Amino acid sequence: QQQVKQSPQSLIVQKGGISIINCAYENTAFDYFPWYQQFPGKGPALLIAIRPDVSEKKEGRFTISFNKSAKQFSLHIMDSQPGDSATYFCAATIQGAQKLVFGQGTRLTINP
Amino acid sequence: ETGVTQSPTHLIKTRGQQVTLRCSSQSGHNTVSWYQQALGQGPQFIFQYYREEENGRGNFPPRFSGLQFPNYSSELNVNALELDDSALYLCASSPDRGSWNTEAFFGQGTRLTVV
Repeated sequence: QQQVKQSPQSLIVQKGGISIINCAYENTAFDYFPWYQQFPGKGPALLIAIRPDVSEKKEGRFTISFNKSAKQFSLHIMDSQPGDSATYFCAATIQGAQKLVFGQGTRLTINP
Repeated sequence: ETGVTQSPTHLIKTRGQQVTLRCSSQSGHNTVSWYQQALGQGPQFIFQYYREEENGRGNFPPRFSGLQFPNYSSELNVNALELDDSALYLCASSPDRGSWNTEAFFGQGTRLTVV
């Protein structure tokens, strides 16, 4: 029940296209859902996050869509750029809890 | 304001040996968490330290232990290394344990290879 399942494992998108990464969770106690971006040789960096009281959050080209009833959330990257090529992790946690539960990651490649 | 720094960046150890990894938390941060990231996987929570006390532990055996110092820097110690311990070890710090998971900053990690 602590798992977060992420898909796809890898994704190739043309420059200017929309990248979509999906995650699903089981634990209904989760109340904070961040997305992290990780470049090779670097630690994960917080990209954008959402709480379950809203269905969508947008920051620049990045949007999280959240479906509480389906226990799913997704990251959309609009106008994808080669600099967006990285591994993306969704995560879930309970406010005040000690740990983040991460998905397995999606390796995104944006072709120029 | 300096970020989270980890040392060393890479390390090769032999099975059965012991290893110590180090983390300097971001200035003003009193909470440090450690994660293990196996190749091609998401990070897995090992444990968290808050003001020098362990404040939560994941599903890792006791041979994984840690310390936090008065300056809030931290160490991760692994005894009796096994081949499966080969991974990227990440340290994350945050201003306070109450907000840690919404304001956590990760270091670049230490790549441990056990041969």
